[in-house]
Amino acid sequence: SQKIEQNSEALNIQEGKTATLTCNYTNYSPAYLQWYRQDPGRGPVFLLLIRENEKEKRKERLKVTFDTTLKQSLFHITASQPADSATYLCAFNSGYALNFGKGTSLLVTP
Amino acid sequence: ETGVTQTPRHLVMGMTNKKSLKCEQHLGHNAMYWYKQSAKKPLELMFVYNFKEQTENNSVPSRFSPECPNSSHLFLHLHTLQPEDSALYLCASSQDQGQNTEAFFGQGTRLTVV
Repeated sequence: SQKIEQNSEALNIQEGKTATLTCNYTNYSPAYLQWYRQDPGRGPVFLLLIRENEKEKRKERLKVTFDTTLKQSLFHITASQPADSATYLCAFNSGYALNFGKGTSLLVTP
Repeated sequence: ETGVTQTPRHLVMGMTNKKSLKCEQHLGHNAMYWYKQSAKKPLELMFVYNFKEQTENNSVPSRFSPECPNSSHLFLHLHTLQPEDSALYLCASSQDQGQNTEAFFGQGTRLTVV
């Protein structure tokens, strides 16, 4: 069955540094991959979508890469801020709805 | 606000109760979804509706019963739940079911079954 794996351990970084989160997937070859942010007790919020033929996509301080050979996407937040602390979810649509990874919790400390 | 509203935000119910969760979207989307999110687990897809028709039931127990009276409203009827059904229930909508379509989520209903 399709599987999406994200770093299960929380990522703690210092304010101003670049955070890099990893998403690996197996048993599927999505044409698109999405990233969401989720704050505690709230629903996920869409951040970025990247197509399989795009090597990277940027939006302000966010950058996503998509390597279909490695079956991996990397999500970067540059110049991180405490307000970036949240759980980040990787997802793709397998034909009828989005499948999500467990998410990686990011904590940015001042 | 995401344009998707869920009520109630919190619900505590006994195992013999019957309750309903409500979701409303103001985005003109054609597809709506119910997801369950338990601690330490990824979001689990429960039901999918497209143009009011159920297109997917992800092997969900019959104690969960969805209803979609129109493209803007989605309900999840609950009866004789178990304590392990306690979770955050999330409603989402999207323009369609295409692979390049983003989903918009509501704030969720935190359900506790006692």
